[in-house]
Amino acid sequence: EAQVTQNPRYLITVTGKKLTVTCSQNMNHEYMSWYRQDPGLGLRQIYYSMNVEVTDKGDVPEGYKVSRKEKRNFPLILESPSPNQTSLYFCASSLTLAGAGEQFFGPGTRLTVL
Amino acid sequence: RKEVEQDPGPFNVPEGATVAFNCTYSNSASQSFFWYRQDCRKEPKLLMSVYSSGNEDGRFTAQLNRASQYISLLIRDSKLSDSATYLCVVISGGGADGLTFGKGTHLIIQP
Repeated sequence: EAQVTQNPRYLITVTGKKLTVTCSQNMNHEYMSWYRQDPGLGLRQIYYSMNVEVTDKGDVPEGYKVSRKEKRNFPLILESPSPNQTSLYFCASSLTLAGAGEQFFGPGTRLTVL
Repeated sequence: RKEVEQDPGPFNVPEGATVAFNCTYSNSASQSFFWYRQDCRKEPKLLMSVYSSGNEDGRFTAQLNRASQYISLLIRDSKLSDSATYLCVVISGGGADGLTFGKGTHLIIQP
């Protein structure tokens, strides 16, 4: 089954404790991205990647890191999480950048930073 | 980043009615348009692309009005299962920074 998976689905952590949210897709997609979704603010892009070893900042990259060492994986790293990073996070992928309007989303990760 | 705006709603609509809502965009050079559906606490899913000539998929019709810079989604014979938030996506250029999601319109179909 073609899908985007994220882990963990739920996470409660404390300020300053480094964490990684994994994202993997099995569709051989080139383009992957991370979003956060907050009430009243909609989906905001954090980082995106057009292919292996190619990443770039989205609208709200502060406090986040990403890497793209393999085509299928695009982990999101919070080196020192803060309460304002409490949010619902989605990973998404599309075949190419040109096809980014047709993205497949993962199920989401609900993160709470205390 | 150019703006994409949607009426957040909620739109409360009786089952069986027809409902339509719009998404306006400010960049006249916008090239591609899409509608996504998002159920509560779930991931967004692509509903349909919006073509220049308009397109229909069952009870759903999407249209583009370039002159007035908006896209629309019309749902006929609405079902309870149509209750969701509908997000529009506008792509303004070839780069990834040209992709913008609207904040969504919340639709509630009432029995």
